[in-house]
Amino acid sequence: AQSVTQLDSQVPVFEEAPVELRCNYSSSVSVYLFWYVQYPNQGLQLLLKYLSGSTLVKGINGFEAEFNKSQTSFHLRKPSVHISDTAEYFCAVSEALGGGADGLTFGKGTHLIIQP
Amino acid sequence: KAGVTQTPRYLIKTRGQQVTLSCSPISGHRSVSWYQQTPGQGLQFLFEYFSETQRNKGNFPGRFSGRQFSNSRSEMNVSTLELGDSALYLCASSWTGELQETQYFGPGTRLLVL
Repeated sequence: AQSVTQLDSQVPVFEEAPVELRCNYSSSVSVYLFWYVQYPNQGLQLLLKYLSGSTLVKGINGFEAEFNKSQTSFHLRKPSVHISDTAEYFCAVSEALGGGADGLTFGKGTHLIIQP
Repeated sequence: KAGVTQTPRYLIKTRGQQVTLSCSPISGHRSVSWYQQTPGQGLQFLFEYFSETQRNKGNFPGRFSGRQFSNSRSEMNVSTLELGDSALYLCASSWTGELQETQYFGPGTRLLVL
């Protein structure tokens, strides 16, 4: 079974500053990695995903993430945040060959707070 | 193209009752997954349906069940409700359920058990 740790429950950042949201995972097999965003009273929206190939993945809204196999990390970054980025961010993992038996395993989430 | 819809959006029940939640996937999607989101446990996988068959199941008691209809719409049922079942229930749909596919989430049904 796999697990995900999001090291920060809350990250306050000033508007237009860069941000990094940290995610570490644990799995004994190859994985797919995802970042989702959840705005208040809404469902989850996929920001980006890593399946294979290039370790730097670019997503929507200017976000990117880098897969680091040796450190089992998949940190999310954005060079300049906006007020509209205030939301809950979830890192998720699935076993690449698991056939979906466990669905997606999510981290506990990081609340990104943008300060004007 | 319409997104994933869930009904109702909000629900209040009392302990011991049962509840049925509905999820309509994006047109053409045949896989529907359900997740429970609580402040304490976060997002947890309940089960996944594909072509009217439950294909995968998370670690939840038998009180949680579901089904999928021929039009891919899905329902989940929770019987003998407990206070701890209060949560946001999210469903997600995709074409085939393969995990490399993007899953599209609905807005959720917020269930409060009193």
